[in-house]
Amino acid sequence: GAVVSQHPSWVICKSGTSVKIECRSLDFQATTMFWYRQFPKQSLMLMATSNEGSKATYEQGVEKDKFLINHASLTLSTLTVTSAHPEDSSFYICSANIIWSTDTQYFGPGTRLTVL
Amino acid sequence: QKEVEQNSGPLSVPEGAIASLNCTYSDRGSQSFFWYRQYSGKSPELIMSIYSNGDKEDGRFTAQLNKASQYVSLLIRDSQPSDSATYLCAVNMRYSSASKIIFGSGTRLSIRP
Repeated sequence: GAVVSQHPSWVICKSGTSVKIECRSLDFQATTMFWYRQFPKQSLMLMATSNEGSKATYEQGVEKDKFLINHASLTLSTLTVTSAHPEDSSFYICSANIIWSTDTQYFGPGTRLTVL
Repeated sequence: QKEVEQNSGPLSVPEGAIASLNCTYSDRGSQSFFWYRQYSGKSPELIMSIYSNGDKEDGRFTAQLNKASQYVSLLIRDSQPSDSATYLCAVNMRYSSASKIIFGSGTRLSIRP
């Protein structure tokens, strides 16, 4: 149980294009999903908290107009990196809490983004 | 002061020995604590959660929590080469608007055959 999927698992794009990453909870409902970014040899950095049916809460220093988050249902959240640049190349990971349950976070497998 | 602190390592332990990983946190009111394992290039995988003072055992893993000392640890018995990974300590911390999970920077563990 508590499986979270992400799609795509990796993506290569040209500078200036937009990339959408999907995060799905497969066997549970999640009121809250989280988006993290991880650069090589560094720890997870929380980017934003995504709540179903409401606007995402962004961490300080994360541009909400560049990283668009939509949480349309209890099982799906999307992160769109708009006008991507090489410095956006990173490992993007989502996680989710089980609805009305503990604060344990279950992570998706991650999406590796490379911007040329 | 970092909110969740871990020694970055690498911590090298011989196969079969006990690996001991430590973590301290700053919020005395924290109630939820987690250990995640992350292999290189992969996402974190939950190993254990602990909420009460004392020890919690699951197979070869034992989490230890001491809220008075703001300290949480993970012991891995009979270490295997497959245990070589980065171990992330995570703590649920309270902020003015909500609580959120804060991750430490991780300890890199290497099990030598």
